[in-house]
Parts: sequence; C-alpha cells; structure tokens
Amino acid sequence: KQEVTQIPAALSVPEGENLVLNCSFTDSAIYNLQWFRQDPGKGLTSLLLIQSSQREQTSGRLNASLDKSSGRSTLYIAASQPGDSATYLCAVRPSDYKLSFGAGTTVTVRA
Amino acid sequence: GAVVSQHPSRVICKSGTSVKIECRSLDFQATTMFWYRQFPKQSLMLMATSNEGSKATYEQGVEKDKFLINHASLTLSTLTVTSAHPEDSSFYICSAKLPFSTDTQYFGPGTRLTVL
Repeated sequence: KQEVTQIPAALSVPEGENLVLNCSFTDSAIYNLQWFRQDPGKGLTSLLLIQSSQREQTSGRLNASLDKSSGRSTLYIAASQPGDSATYLCAVRPSDYKLSFGAGTTVTVRA
Repeated sequence: GAVVSQHPSRVICKSGTSVKIECRSLDFQATTMFWYRQFPKQSLMLMATSNEGSKATYEQGVEKDKFLINHASLTLSTLTVTSAHPEDSSFYICSAKLPFSTDTQYFGPGTRLTVL
C-alpha cells in the first residue's frame, strides 16, 4: 500500500524567503506525482504535475523535482509572498487513476 | 479550464438523518468521478470511484451501504451519507476526470458535513 509522507507538517517563514517542501512515497512504481494547493475549507488547485519519466517541472516561482528511485519529491517556492500561505499537498498516481495523498504542509508566510 | 462544483458547500444535520452531496462537472462530461474524505489535518482518503452508468467501486474499509454513490449522468455524481453519525463529520471532496485524459483530475470545492 502506497504511503505518502510530507515533512514538515507546518512551516512559517518571513516574506521573501524561499520555501522547500518535501514529499516521500514508499512505492516507486508511480505514473506521476502532483503538487496541489489547498486554501482553508476549500478544494484543491493543481500546481505542478511531474510524469514518472521527468526529473522536474517549473511554473513561475514554483519548481518541483522528482527522484522516483528514492521515492522523493521536493517543491520549491522562490521569494515567498503572503499569498502563498496555504496547505500544499503532494499526491502520487500509480497505474490506475487513484491518487494517494500526503497529509500536507501548512505554510504561513509572514508579511 | 474544467470546472467542478459541489452542493451544498456546508451542511449540518442531526444524527440518524441522510445527507446528499452533489458533484457536477460544469463544462465537460466526466465518465469517472472520485469521492474523497478529509479529516482535519489529515490527507485526502479516496472513498470510491464513481463510473457513469455502472456501480461505484469502493475502497477497502468504506461501507457501500452507508455511502451511496449514484452517477446517473455524465455531469453528475451524488454521494448520500445514510444514517449519518457524528463520526461521519468530515470534509468531502469530489474530483472528475476528463474522458480520454490520462492524468488530470479536477477537484470540486468540497462539502463540510457536520453531524450533531
């Protein structure tokens, strides 16, 4: 059974600092890995999707890396802003469409 | 982009009553929808996969008689929590997959259920 772990569970940084969020998974037989953002009491917004054959994906200030063999992914957010405050979830997808989610990292960016 | 809505966004009910939550794909047809449950500070747990025109597939440990899923059309799936109890209080989120898409699921905004 796939287990997804996110460390740290919570993170508070001053505005402008870079953020590093970690995700690890136990079964490396994945099809892809996805990072989501969730605001309090809201649904999920997809940020980046990395296929199993890829090493990284970038979108603006966001960069996600994937090391499938070691079961790890890292989400980097450059020059954080208060609007980046949210919970960030990673999810892995095996060969079917069932996503396995981590518990998330709750980020607070202080102005 | 594809939009998925849920209704209601928040519901409070008495123990023993049944609650229906709707998940709609607004601008695309979704042959497959997924229902997740999220407890506070925990990850989303997949409850079931809803397929249009056929029975839902439930994950291990999810009671199919308690969580009734109906996917009667290509744009609507419903989750009915029957005889709800306080331990069913949770955040329920649905997602929908584009037909022929291999990757993308679009998530609804979620429904907060509180059972008194």
